[in-house]
Amino acid sequence: AQSVAQPEDQVNVAEGNPLTVKCTYSVSGNPYLFWYVQYPNRGLQFLLKYITGDNLVKGSYGFEAEFNKSQTSFHLKKPSALVSDSALYFCAVRDGRDMRFGAGTRLTVKP
Amino acid sequence: EAGVTQSPTHLIKTRGQQATLRCSPISGHTSVYWYQQALGLGLQFLLWYDEGEERNRGNFPPRFSGRQFPNYSSELNVNALELEDSALYLCASSFREATEAFFGQGTRLTVV
Repeated sequence: AQSVAQPEDQVNVAEGNPLTVKCTYSVSGNPYLFWYVQYPNRGLQFLLKYITGDNLVKGSYGFEAEFNKSQTSFHLKKPSALVSDSALYFCAVRDGRDMRFGAGTRLTVKP
Repeated sequence: EAGVTQSPTHLIKTRGQQATLRCSPISGHTSVYWYQQALGLGLQFLLWYDEGEERNRGNFPPRFSGRQFPNYSSELNVNALELEDSALYLCASSFREATEAFFGQGTRLTVV
């Protein structure tokens, strides 16, 4: 069965510093991987996806993610964090069936 | 192009009643997913419909059910409501397996 894990409930970074939100996955076939962001009392917004090709995927708002097959990871990164990046981030995986989400990581960027 | 729309935005029900939540996918999308999000926490997978058929369901009791109509819109029904059913119910739609799913703004269900 497919699954995804986000090992950190909370990530705190200072504005201007790089940020990383971690995600590992488990699927039986080729993974389709996604990152979403959720602001308070809102639905999820799509950030980026990995289907095939380059391991470094660029997405919205300056975010990028690195696919690492050997480590089964798909960490979300941003070179310079903004206070407005503070939100709940979800990693998701699909392998031909439904889409499953991680538990979410709350990112707080402090001025 | 209209996004995924969910109705109602808020719903207050009494314990034991039934709730019906509705979702209209993006035009052209054939898959609809339902998720439960309690207290701003993680998304728990409820149901997946594609081309009018239920393709998979999560670990929820049978009183959670739904259907997908010929126009690909969907309903989620929750019978015999319990207090712990209070949550944000999110609907998402997608076109193909390798594409991202787009989410609606959710229905906030409160059971009192």
